[in-house]
Amino acid sequence: GEDVEQSLFLSVREGDSSVINCTYTDSSSTYLYWYKQEPGAGLQLLTYIFSNMDMKQDQRLTVLLNKKDKHLSLRIADTQTGDSAIYFCAESISGANNLFFGTGTRLTVIP
Amino acid sequence: DAGVIQSPRHEVTEMGQEVTLRCKPISGHDYLFWYRQTMMRGLELLIYFNNNVPIDDSGMPEDRFSAKMPNASFSTLKIQPSEPRDSAVYFCASSPRRRLNTEAFFGQGTRLTVV
Repeated sequence: GEDVEQSLFLSVREGDSSVINCTYTDSSSTYLYWYKQEPGAGLQLLTYIFSNMDMKQDQRLTVLLNKKDKHLSLRIADTQTGDSAIYFCAESISGANNLFFGTGTRLTVIP
Repeated sequence: DAGVIQSPRHEVTEMGQEVTLRCKPISGHDYLFWYRQTMMRGLELLIYFNNNVPIDDSGMPEDRFSAKMPNASFSTLKIQPSEPRDSAVYFCASSPRRRLNTEAFFGQGTRLTVV
C-alpha cells in the first residue's frame, strides 16, 4: 500500500538552510509534491517533481528525488521566519486519482 | 476563480447535533476530495468524487458521516450525530482531470469543535 513518512518537527535558525525529508513506498509514483500549510490556512502547493527527474530548483527551493531509495527532500535556502509552517509531501500514483500525503513536518524558524 | 470555498470557517456545536460542512470546488475541476486533519492522525482522506459520483469512501470513519455532491459546484459533508472526537479541521480540495498529475487545490478548511 501507499505509505508516506516524514519526521514531525524541524527547527532551524533564520538564514540557515532547512532540509525536510520524506520517504514513500510505492514505486509507481508519477508525481511527488510539496505542500505548505500556514497556521489557520489550507494547504498550498509549493512545488512538484515528475518521477523521472532527480532535481528541480525554484528560487530558494530545491527538490531532490532519489527514486531508487524512494526518498524525496525539500531544501529551503536562507530560511526566513515566514517559512515557519507545516510541510507535507505527497505522491500521486499511476492509476489512482487521489494524492497520498505524509504526516507533515512542522518547521520552526528561530530568529 | 476564487479557489475552493468552504463554509463555515468555524463551527462549534454540542454533542449529538447534526453538522453540515459545505464546499464549492473550482469550476471545471472533475475531482473533489474531503480530508480531515487532527494532531493525532494528521491528514486523512475521507471520500472523493469524480464527476459528482463518490468513488472511494473507505476513509469515512463511521455511518455517522455522509457526503453528497448533488452537482458539479457543490458538496456537503454531514455528521449526524456529532461527537467530541469528530473535532478537527475538515478540508475540501478539488483537482482537474489529468492523466498523471493529480495536483489538488485546497480550501481554507472548516474548524469543527464538538463540545
